[in-house]
Amino acid sequence: DTAVSQTPKYLVTQMGNDKSIKCEQNLGHDTMYWYKQDSKKFLKIMFSYNNKELIINETVPNRFSPKSPDKAHLNLHINSLELGDSAVYFCASTPTGMNTEAFFGQGTRLTVV
Amino acid sequence: RKEVEQDPGPFNVPEGATVAFNCTYSNSASQSFFWYRQDCRKEPKLLMSVYSSGNEDGRFTAQLNRASQYISLLIRDSKLSDSATYLCVVTPSYNFNKFYFGSGTKLNVKP
Repeated sequence: DTAVSQTPKYLVTQMGNDKSIKCEQNLGHDTMYWYKQDSKKFLKIMFSYNNKELIINETVPNRFSPKSPDKAHLNLHINSLELGDSAVYFCASTPTGMNTEAFFGQGTRLTVV
Repeated sequence: RKEVEQDPGPFNVPEGATVAFNCTYSNSASQSFFWYRQDCRKEPKLLMSVYSSGNEDGRFTAQLNRASQYISLLIRDSKLSDSATYLCVVTPSYNFNKFYFGSGTKLNVKP
C-alpha cells in the first residue's frame, strides 16, 4: 500500500509541450512538497503546501504551477517545457511539527527532447 | 553559498570497514538535522535524525557539532547493502517545513 504515489513514473516529451505530474499521499499528512533532482543529484525544493495553502514557493519559473485540490493531493503542471526541465521530480509529504520524517514518492523522470 | 555542502565521493571501501562522512551547513540557526539514504534511481528515505547529543542506531552513529556547523555519519562494519548515496538534510528554525538537502555522498562497499 503505497504511502506517497506519483504518476507518471517516466515522461518523455518534446520542447514546448505542457505536461502534468500527479501526487497523492495516504498518510494523513498536512504538508506536501515538490522537489527537483537534477543530473548532479542535487535535490532542490520547489513548492510546499500545507492544508492546500502554498507555504513555500522557491525561485522557480512561473511555467511551473502547483495545485493542491485537497491536502492529500499535490499536482505539478509545467507549461512550455524546456530542455533544462529534464530532471527527476519527487513529491514528498510530512506530518505537522518539527523533526518529522519526509516521505517521498518514487519520482517522475522527465526527459524533454 | 549552498545551505548544505557534502563531499560527493565516491567513497570506495571494503566490506567490514568503518567509514565516516561529514556535511557542513551555512545557517547557524538551523534547527533539525537528518541523514537520508538514496539508492540508485530510487527515492530518498530517512536513515536517522541527528540529535544534539549524538545518537546511534545499530552500526550507524550521527553527531552534530553546532559550533563548527557540521554533522557527521559514521558507519561501522560496512555491508554491501550500505552502498548508496547519503544525503545530509537541514531545516532552518524559521521554517521547519523547509528541508535543505546536500547533494549527497556516494558510498560503494566492495566485497
